[in-house]
Amino acid sequence: GQNIDQPTEMTATEGAIVQINCTYQTSGFNGLFWYQQHAGEAPTFLSYNVLDGLEEKGRFSSFLSRSKGYSYLLLKELQMKDSASYLCAVRLFSGGYNKLIFGAGTRLAVHP
Amino acid sequence: DTEVTQTPKHLVMGMTNKKSLKCEQHMGHRAMYWYKQKAKKPPELMFVYSYEKLSINESVPSRFSPECPNSSLLNLHLHALQPEDSALYLCASSQNSGANTGELFFGEGSRLTVL
Repeated sequence: GQNIDQPTEMTATEGAIVQINCTYQTSGFNGLFWYQQHAGEAPTFLSYNVLDGLEEKGRFSSFLSRSKGYSYLLLKELQMKDSASYLCAVRLFSGGYNKLIFGAGTRLAVHP
Repeated sequence: DTEVTQTPKHLVMGMTNKKSLKCEQHMGHRAMYWYKQKAKKPPELMFVYSYEKLSINESVPSRFSPECPNSSLLNLHLHALQPEDSALYLCASSQNSGANTGELFFGEGSRLTVL
């Protein structure tokens, strides 16, 4: 089966750095996405890795190691508005089609 | 225009009703998706349409019936639902569903309550 694990909850302080980890065991891996979701709102795309290494986008960076089935999302200079759920999602390619499967999400609370 | 628009935003229906959720995108995307999300849970894939053809059905009960009238529109027809079907229904689109899908763009969702 497909399995995606990430911590349920994390807390951090405004201005700090936080790392949210994600491990996966899947077949047909074809990329890993990170989405942010505020309560009651749609998920919004943050970052994407298909090859090993680090991708940086402003305050957000994401890392992937395909051999270890491991990714992390790094958030720098945390702001209160970063309090949200962060969803790790694996893109699986099977039968000629892609589908995106989400992990349970990590609820991040940023405190002053 | 990078929006996926869903209507209605809220829907309350009885178990004997027939209703539809609608989704529209004008980004020229050729893949469209329905996800279901319960409170404090991740989105769960229901259906994938690729070039207006149903390509993935994740064993969804037949009381949910998707339809893709054209490349910009995606509907989800609802009939004889159960209270446990109450959830946020998210529509998404991507460039295609082949090897280089790109990211999914999500709509704001339709919050469904089944009484």
